[in-house]
Amino acid sequence: DAGVIQSPRHEVTEMGQEVTLRCKPISGHDYLFWYRQTMMRGLELLIYFNNNVPIDDSGMPEDRFSAKMPNASFSTLKIQPSEPRDSAVYFCASSPDTYNEQFFGPGTRLTVL
Amino acid sequence: KNQVEQSPQSLIILEGKNCTLQCNYTVSPFSNLRWYKQDTGRGPVSLTIMTFSENTKSNGRYTATLDADTKQSSLHITASQLSDSASYICVVSIGYNNNDMRFGAGTRLTVKP
Repeated sequence: DAGVIQSPRHEVTEMGQEVTLRCKPISGHDYLFWYRQTMMRGLELLIYFNNNVPIDDSGMPEDRFSAKMPNASFSTLKIQPSEPRDSAVYFCASSPDTYNEQFFGPGTRLTVL
Repeated sequence: KNQVEQSPQSLIILEGKNCTLQCNYTVSPFSNLRWYKQDTGRGPVSLTIMTFSENTKSNGRYTATLDADTKQSSLHITASQLSDSASYICVVSIGYNNNDMRFGAGTRLTVKP
């Protein structure tokens, strides 16, 4: 398996624009997680899915953020409208169950100007 | 105050030397504790996962210990290599939901030749 795949790897956009980040989890993994990492706040869990269903979105910072998982092999994290404070590295991770390790993707570095 | 405190914030050691990183937590009830290694520009990689009943777990030259009574964990790296240069992140899960997590800010380790 190729591991967790994220795209794009880098995204530079202007304030107010819509940003969509994409993730393909490892096949067979039932859990998918979206994280954000900044120097100031470290790693933060935004939302996670179990069998394509959002379970906990309490980490989503505000209504500008939304995430979907239309099927077991694809998820998106959307920011609309984007703001400079959204600049961060966004990671997607997947795991086979809630007890085992999570496998992280390479991340998407987002810069909002 | 962060519920997961890591120390030191950064550490520089010479290649071949051993080192120990600390993680103290206040979360309750405890579910499990994970150590991740994160190379610069990459996603975190799981090193160990320990539950309440485990007090030590090894992964090659990495050995994690857990004292659930004092709520302390350590990650010991033996015979360090240049490739150990990375950030090490401690993550503690709460209660029965392994995905309710609290993150440490990480320790930045630099191994010099």
